Amino acid sequence: TQLLEQSPQFLSIQEGENLTVYCNSSSVFSSLQWYRQEPGEGPVLLVTVVTGGEVKKLKRLTFQFGDARKDSSLHITAAQPGDTGLYLCAGVDVRNYGGSQGNLIFGKGTKLSVKP
Amino acid sequence: DAGVTQSPTHLIKTRGQHVTLRCSPISGHKSVSWYQQVLGQGPQFIFQYYEKEERGRGNFPDRFSARQFPNYSSELNVNALLLGDSALYLCASSLASPGSTGNTIYFGEGSWLTVV
Repeated sequence: TQLLEQSPQFLSIQEGENLTVYCNSSSVFSSLQWYRQEPGEGPVLLVTVVTGGEVKKLKRLTFQFGDARKDSSLHITAAQPGDTGLYLCAGVDVRNYGGSQGNLIFGKGTKLSVKP
Repeated sequence: DAGVTQSPTHLIKTRGQHVTLRCSPISGHKSVSWYQQVLGQGPQFIFQYYEKEERGRGNFPDRFSARQFPNYSSELNVNALLLGDSALYLCASSLASPGSTGNTIYFGEGSWLTVV
């Protein structure tokens, strides 16, 4: 069974602080996606990273894909209360694993709370 | 353009009943996947359909079934409901075929199923 481990599981910080969320696996992924999910809603795609070592920036959010395509990180600068939510990383497996090639394997998520 | 749309948004069923959930993908997308997300967990892959054929199946019992129609919409059916089937059921669509590099997957808002 493949696992995508996210850390930390919970994070509560003050507005203005910086934070980093990690997503690690022993498996190689053809691509990795980061989603943000609010309670009662579906995940909303933030970014897709494809190339090992790739760095993408989305305003105050910086995403990095590991050189070996096994891990990724999300860094938020000067967090705001609007950043509060569940952050999910999901990898697209390179192997045809049980007929699920091309499907997403999710981590359990990092629940972020940013207090004003 | 409309995103992925799902119906119903919320429903309550009793143990042993049957449920049908519906999904319309983004216009032009031919791939539809279904995921189950129980409270506090990341989504878990159930099925994938591409061009009306099943292309992948996750580790779910035979009580779960799905199909894709000629217009690429999809239904997820669950028979003999158990309390543990209570979850958010997410539908996702993508443009490319399963396993394509950089294939981005977009989620709907989900259908909340409560089994009592």
